[in-house]
Amino acid sequence: KAGVTQTPRYLIKTRGQQVTLSCSPISGHRSVSWYQQTPGQGLQFLFEYFSETQRNKGNFPGRFSGRQFSNSRSEMNVSTLELGDSALYLCASSLDGGTRTEAFFGQGTRLTVV
Amino acid sequence: GNSVTQMEGPVTLSEEAFLTINCTYTATGYPSLFWYVQYPGEGLQLLLKATKADDKGSNKGFEATYRKETTSFHLEKGSVQVSDSAVYFCALSGLTGTASKLTFGTGTRLQVTL
Repeated sequence: KAGVTQTPRYLIKTRGQQVTLSCSPISGHRSVSWYQQTPGQGLQFLFEYFSETQRNKGNFPGRFSGRQFSNSRSEMNVSTLELGDSALYLCASSLDGGTRTEAFFGQGTRLTVV
Repeated sequence: GNSVTQMEGPVTLSEEAFLTINCTYTATGYPSLFWYVQYPGEGLQLLLKATKADDKGSNKGFEATYRKETTSFHLEKGSVQVSDSAVYFCALSGLTGTASKLTFGTGTRLQVTL
């Protein structure tokens, strides 16, 4: 069974640009969550999508957005990039995002903003 | 809100030594608890989980017991190997409605030497 796939693995962007990251969850999983990992702030929850709807949202500015497609694949977009957006972005999928279900993570997309 | 406190690292051990990484949490209700491991350049891998008080999660020689009375979920391994060198994250899930939002500790880096 294929795991969570994130593309691309690495990205270098310039300040002010926008970027789109992609996540393909494990087959049959309907919940996709996104996290930002930085040395200073650690792992922070961005948002979660379930059945094409944003179900939960963390404390990030509106420049961070996402969506989910009918096949459960998800994308996140960051507009007007800032240097501080440089991070490892992790996607996690689970069957339904319930308390007892496990979240499986992809390898992440490392975004560098210059 | 929910929070997770992990012991500061790095933890440096000789091969075959006993490992304990402390984790305590603050949460309302009865969250599920998890340990994730991150190897260099990789995403997070679920190591073990416990979904209710007194549950013991175990995997690959690692164990952790959900202690509600002390709000703890300490990770232990009887004999570590060089291949266990990684960063370990303790995490908890929220209540229904926010269950997909994992709250992570800051991570504990483990280095095992020969």
